[in-house]
Amino acid sequence: AQKVTQAQTEISVVEKEDVTLDCVYETRDTTYYLFWYKQPPSGELVFLIRRNSFDEQNEISGRYSWNFQKSTSSFNFTITASQVVDSAVYFCALSRISEGGFKTIFGAGTRLFVKA
Amino acid sequence: DTEVTQTPKHLVMGMTNKKSLKCEQHMGHRAMYWYKQKAKKPPELMFVYSYEKLSINESVPSRFSPECPNSSLLNLHLHALQPEDSALYLCASSQGTSNYGYTFGSGTRLTVV
Repeated sequence: AQKVTQAQTEISVVEKEDVTLDCVYETRDTTYYLFWYKQPPSGELVFLIRRNSFDEQNEISGRYSWNFQKSTSSFNFTITASQVVDSAVYFCALSRISEGGFKTIFGAGTRLFVKA
Repeated sequence: DTEVTQTPKHLVMGMTNKKSLKCEQHMGHRAMYWYKQKAKKPPELMFVYSYEKLSINESVPSRFSPECPNSSLLNLHLHALQPEDSALYLCASSQGTSNYGYTFGSGTRLTVV
């Protein structure tokens, strides 16, 4: 069974604080893909990052960084020096190949509030 | 053009109405998807089209009928919906056989009265 758990329902921080969003996944596949998406109030999901199961290298993109650890089945997302524009719902997602194509399941999401 | 365009943005329909949602992309993506998202919930996969053929149907009720007329267009035909079908319907696309992430449209917010 595939499962993505985002235990933090809501997080509230003050601007310029660092914040880490947790993601834990379950899968029996050896090949899979992990994603983070951002959903601002406008509703559109925005792709942030993709990792495949064979690439545990951490990544930094500006104020965003991701920590992928297969040993703990975690793919955490850190925002450094948060800004009000970071306020959104963030979804972690797991994708695997199945008959018919890729199927992606999403975690429940973490709603981030960044206050000025 | 790196967008997925969905129309209409908002739709109110009665339970006896027939309506259609439209999704368009011009990125050359060969996989297209419909997702349903209820308030404060994650998106749930409904259908996957791969190279214009329906490849995954996640046991969606027949009152939702997808159609892919060509590689750029994806429709979702709605008939005899129930109030509980009210949700945000998201279309997405991705490169055909790879998995580099989806490009999502901004969705159609559907209200069934």
